[in-house]
Amino acid sequence: AQTVTQSQPEMSVQEAETVTLSCTYDTSESDYYLFWYKQPPSRQMILVIRQEAYKQQNATENRFSVNFQKAAKSFSLKISDSQLGDAAMYFCAYKEGGSEKLVFGKGTKLTVNP
Amino acid sequence: GAVVSQHPSWVICKSGTSVKIECRSLDFQATTMFWYRQFPKQSLMLMATSNEGSKATYEQGVEKDKFLINHASLTLSTLTVTSAHPEDSSFYICSALRDRGFEQYFGPGTRLTVT
Repeated sequence: AQTVTQSQPEMSVQEAETVTLSCTYDTSESDYYLFWYKQPPSRQMILVIRQEAYKQQNATENRFSVNFQKAAKSFSLKISDSQLGDAAMYFCAYKEGGSEKLVFGKGTKLTVNP
Repeated sequence: GAVVSQHPSWVICKSGTSVKIECRSLDFQATTMFWYRQFPKQSLMLMATSNEGSKATYEQGVEKDKFLINHASLTLSTLTVTSAHPEDSSFYICSALRDRGFEQYFGPGTRLTVT
């Protein structure tokens, strides 16, 4: 079964600085998708960014970017110019191409210090 | 677009009673909906996958008779927790998959407290 590992239970960053959250996954499939979700204190899950495995170019969404290393099965999230509103739980998730299910990591709690 | 609502947002019920949670896709048709459970400070655990007009598929270890799921239409799925007990207290989140899409859209969640 596919697994998603987030090795950092908690991270902190100073406002306006950059932080990188780690995620590794285990799969034997070649067709899959990777996601980063944000869950603020409101508990509403918000999609931050997604990456299709077949795309070599790393996805970017404004201040959020990923470093997708397919051979290493690594999918880290970089948040630039961190803002207080970025404080949340961040979940890495994996979806196999032929499946509808998401497999979530355990999450990383990000604190942004003013 | 792609808004998913849940009702109620918070419910308190007495042990032994049943409670129903609704999940609606407001601006799209959802062929597939998912129900998750999340304990405090933990990740989301998939409970079941529901497809419109067919029986839900439950994950291993999830009691089908306790957690009844009905996907009555392309915009509505319901989760009924039957004979609730304090250990069923948790945060329940639904998500919906747009037809031919691969991205799940999440509802805001329902906090269930069983006293």
